[in-house]
Amino acid sequence: GESVGLHLPTLSVQEGDNSIINCAYSNSASDYFIWYKQESGKGPQFIIDIRSNMDKRQGQRVTVLLNKTVKHLSLQIAATQPGDSAVYFCAENKSGGSNYKLTFGKGTLLTVNP
Amino acid sequence: DTEVTQTPKHLVMGMTNKKSLKCEQHMGHRAMYWYKQKAKKPPELMFVYSYEKLSINESVPSRFSPECPNSSLLNLHLHALQPEDSALYLCASSSGLALEQFFGPGTRLTVL
Repeated sequence: GESVGLHLPTLSVQEGDNSIINCAYSNSASDYFIWYKQESGKGPQFIIDIRSNMDKRQGQRVTVLLNKTVKHLSLQIAATQPGDSAVYFCAENKSGGSNYKLTFGKGTLLTVNP
Repeated sequence: DTEVTQTPKHLVMGMTNKKSLKCEQHMGHRAMYWYKQKAKKPPELMFVYSYEKLSINESVPSRFSPECPNSSLLNLHLHALQPEDSALYLCASSSGLALEQFFGPGTRLTVL
């Protein structure tokens, strides 16, 4: 379930299950979105991105869905593996002009149980 | 070379020390970034360099001083830091506007 404040939202799944991580973004003008995976002690690692002219994009075992109407982004991981255990961040950007700023969501801790 | 490197990996410094963090990328990216990340929190943007010029300063205290000597290097000079500045400092780069940012492994900084 989710919690607020100082605690990361958490998701615990069994190995082999599918995982869905959700993210609500704030800026209706954002037109580029990224999902990052951050393992303990490492920097964020790019997983997949999507532009606002799309509502779905698939990668290897991952799918990102974008619902601009409700400003919602989700990351689906198929056949989750123990190596998928990490914190997952969504990030949004409003492209154009000189804006290089990515705004990160608060993150979700995914734990995969063997 | 498709990675961003950062040195040192760990740094412990006193409040009166002067130290520098270094970041390097050889992907030809023209935008480079410094982020600060506290435990269990998302990265917070500090500075953006675009074509070796400071593009964004997110109201960072002057005890943090960025420098971009060339298109491959980014430094963060530290002076008179406070214990609350202890965090993971991440460097990232991207090839342009609103494109994916590649992150380095970070420098874990502890201020005593």
